[in-house]
Amino acid sequence: EVQLVESGGGLVQPGGSLRLSCAVSGFTFRTYWMSWVRQAPGKGLEWVANIKEDGSDKYYVDSVKGRFTISRDNAKNSLYLVMNSLRAEDTAVYYCAREVRLGPFRPFDYWGQGTLLTVSS
Amino acid sequence: EILMTQSPATLSLSPGERATLSCRASQSVSSSYLSWYQQKPGQAPRLLIYGASTRATGIPARFSGSGSGTDFTLTISSLQPEDFAVYYCQQDYNLRTFGQGTKVEIK
Repeated sequence: EVQLVESGGGLVQPGGSLRLSCAVSGFTFRTYWMSWVRQAPGKGLEWVANIKEDGSDKYYVDSVKGRFTISRDNAKNSLYLVMNSLRAEDTAVYYCAREVRLGPFRPFDYWGQGTLLTVSS
Repeated sequence: EILMTQSPATLSLSPGERATLSCRASQSVSSSYLSWYQQKPGQAPRLLIYGASTRATGIPARFSGSGSGTDFTLTISSLQPEDFAVYYCQQDYNLRTFGQGTKVEIK
């Protein structure tokens, strides 16, 4: 059974830092692109970042470039998101999601349950 | 950045009715780099459609997708009680972006 379990969320002051983790099981982690997607309370989904199978390529939404860093440890079947210079607008549930390659497409086929980050003083 | 715009924001329908949801991209996402997701309160999104028109594994045939380029449609042929939810389109042609969502609510 495919499982993605996020952890590391919590309450952080503006300007602070936090690291989110996503532990995966039930599939060969090193063969999939992975993403972080967030959802502010009562709002829609926003893609944040993704990372190639071997970690060699990483992409970010403009609003987090230079502040967030996505990484992975294929030996530990884990995905990470280090977040610096946090702002109130970063408050959201953060999901890790698997990108499945289906022909030329890479939709998100499995998601974790999410971890809540609240940025507030 | 490719912007995705969904309409309407809310669709009020009765069980058994047909639902038609629209998604427009600010620039072409090639022929079909477009997916649809369903999200229920307190749950993670679920993949319904990818490649604009291919149903994901286990998705009922009442869900269908169409369109290409910049204009896409998700159709639910006959709404079931479990289909009342929020639906998002998402492009994966250039990075990834989601639409703002369409809520399908019970009339």
